[in-house]
This record gives sequence, structure tokens and C-alpha cells, in this order.
Amino acid sequence: DTEVTQTPKHLVMGMTNKKSLKCEQHMGHRAMYWYKQKAKKPPELMFVYSYEKLSINESVPSRFSPECPNSSLLNLHLHALQPEDSALYLCASSRRTSVEETQYFGPGTRLLVL
Amino acid sequence: KNEVEQSPQNLTAQEGEFITINCSYSVGISALHWLQQHPGGGIVSLFMLSSGKKKHGRLIATINIQEKHSSLHITASHPRDSAVYICAVRAYGGATNKLIFGTGTLLAVQP
Repeated sequence: DTEVTQTPKHLVMGMTNKKSLKCEQHMGHRAMYWYKQKAKKPPELMFVYSYEKLSINESVPSRFSPECPNSSLLNLHLHALQPEDSALYLCASSRRTSVEETQYFGPGTRLLVL
Repeated sequence: KNEVEQSPQNLTAQEGEFITINCSYSVGISALHWLQQHPGGGIVSLFMLSSGKKKHGRLIATINIQEKHSSLHITASHPRDSAVYICAVRAYGGATNKLIFGTGTLLAVQP
């Protein structure tokens, strides 16, 4: 199983809503990542988790709150988002962060903030 | 100037043509990745290179560390190859597995 799954596939939310994005992998990977991708732009790294601990936060606004409840799951909690946060949110995983490892990407959640 | 540059930005080819996408980078790297992204979002990792050449099916990736340049070749291109191809590098000594992405090459293969 070399799959990273993400739910939901699409999400529409208002600026006052609270929602969560979910990412799951069962490859035994201990590094997991959240990326944000705007149309026609490359992905931008948001967060990196290593062994369930947050190791990188790329100065992401606090309205995005990541959580790694166990080694297979990664959540991104959303609250009070702005329309400019509309984007494709990609999750990825790799075996570890400390050596050269291939990152496996999920299909993404397409988010629209109204 | 981006640390990772790709060319061309857009490429249209006829089915069966040999395709080359180029990636140049300005930082010292420990690895270079080629990724494929189809419309709709999902990204697939095609290759990870730190030297030489790798081949997988109709895809070939090469890297020249001294010239800081990599190429992705597609032989006997097919419409299903239509996608955005992204070059990404891990800067040498960079913290954790953080990738620096190029802006992508949009490939359209016409039947």
C-alpha cells in the first residue's frame, strides 16, 4: 500500500466556519507534510511532522492548526479562514525527514472559502 | 530569481514525439525530484536523483551536479502524459525534508 488518502476531496466553507482536513497513510512513514497550492503555482510547504511532533511551521497563520494524533493520521484544523485561503491542500508523507526520501502525495483537498 | 527554474513553461507535442523538460537550480543540493501533477491535483513522484541517470518505462531523468541541471525525457509521448511536471530540489544541508519547487512545465500531448 503506497497510498496517501485525503478527505474530503472538496470543501466549501464560510469565513466563520470550523472544519478539518484529514490525511492518512499506512506505509509506516514517520514524516508527514501539509502543502498549500494555488492555481498554476507550485506547492508551498506549510507544516512538517516528524515522529508525530511538529518540526517545521513555515510561518503559517494561526487560523490553520495542524494535529498529528498518531503516526498514520494528520489533520489540518481550519477556523476563521479568508477567501485568499482558497487553494488545493496537499498532504504528503515520507519514511523519515532526516535522509533523502521520496515524498508520497495525496490527491489533495480543494478548498473554497466564501 | 527562483532557486529552481524550469523550461519550457508550456509545451505542446504531438503523440509519439520525444519530449525534454529542463530544470536548472542555483543552490547546492542533496537530491532532485521530478513530480507529475495531473489536472485535479494529485502529485506522483516520478524520480529522485542525486547523480547520473534513472529510467522508468518511457521516462528518463538525468542530472549533472556540476552544471546544476537536470532533464526529464519522455519517449514516444502519449496524450495520457499530459500533466504538469515539477522539478523540486532538497538544498544541501537543508533542514528536514523541505523541497524547493520549480514553477512547473505544463505539457499537452495531442493525438
